[in-house]
Amino acid sequence: LAKTTQPISMDSYEGQEVNITCSHNNIATNDYITWYQQFPSQGPRFIIQGYKTKVTNEVASLFIPADRKSSTLSLPRVSLSDTAVYYCLVGDTGRRALTFGSGTRLQVQP
Amino acid sequence: EAGVAQSPRYKIIEKRQSVAFWCNPISGHATLYWYQQILGQGPKLLIQFQNNGVVDDSQLPKDRFSAERLKGVDSTLKIQPAKLEDSAVYLCASSLGGAGTEKLFFGSGTQLSVL
Repeated sequence: LAKTTQPISMDSYEGQEVNITCSHNNIATNDYITWYQQFPSQGPRFIIQGYKTKVTNEVASLFIPADRKSSTLSLPRVSLSDTAVYYCLVGDTGRRALTFGSGTRLQVQP
Repeated sequence: EAGVAQSPRYKIIEKRQSVAFWCNPISGHATLYWYQQILGQGPKLLIQFQNNGVVDDSQLPKDRFSAERLKGVDSTLKIQPAKLEDSAVYLCASSLGGAGTEKLFFGSGTQLSVL
């Protein structure tokens, strides 16, 4: 399974764009990149998933360069409610569940 | 659509006691997962069921933890006897199929404190 490396924490202010980068140097050909968000006292929540280039939904964008050795989760114009832990997971469509790392703790300030 | 239901929400026990957690996944979801989340860490998979069969229980401490999935729907996770290091949030999740890339839907978890 590909190992992922993320910053432990990030700080931002309301209204700014936040980019969280995840490194996954040994990603395999069949691996997808998935991001989850976790608020205090809640279980993680799926945000976005991609394989290559760019994926966008109503919550975030995911940028994946051609070599796929890293990925960047982009949150446009964050608000206080985006304060959470963000997890990057890498894995394939096999039966094995994806592994969560320690995540990135994002703190958004007014 | 109802989400993943877990109970109890909180549990406080003394070491060497036993405890059980219950999970009801989203209707129609074939795969059910139990995770343990220690404060400050990411969730760690304990056991994965597909229908009522075990897919992965490699990280389940089988000398004290047990889990079952009744008729491929509800599931219970039991700890007997509990140790201090079992203090954590126990999260249940479900997914429609069994692929590793499928979207997981998590419950709010059971916070266990072992004194």
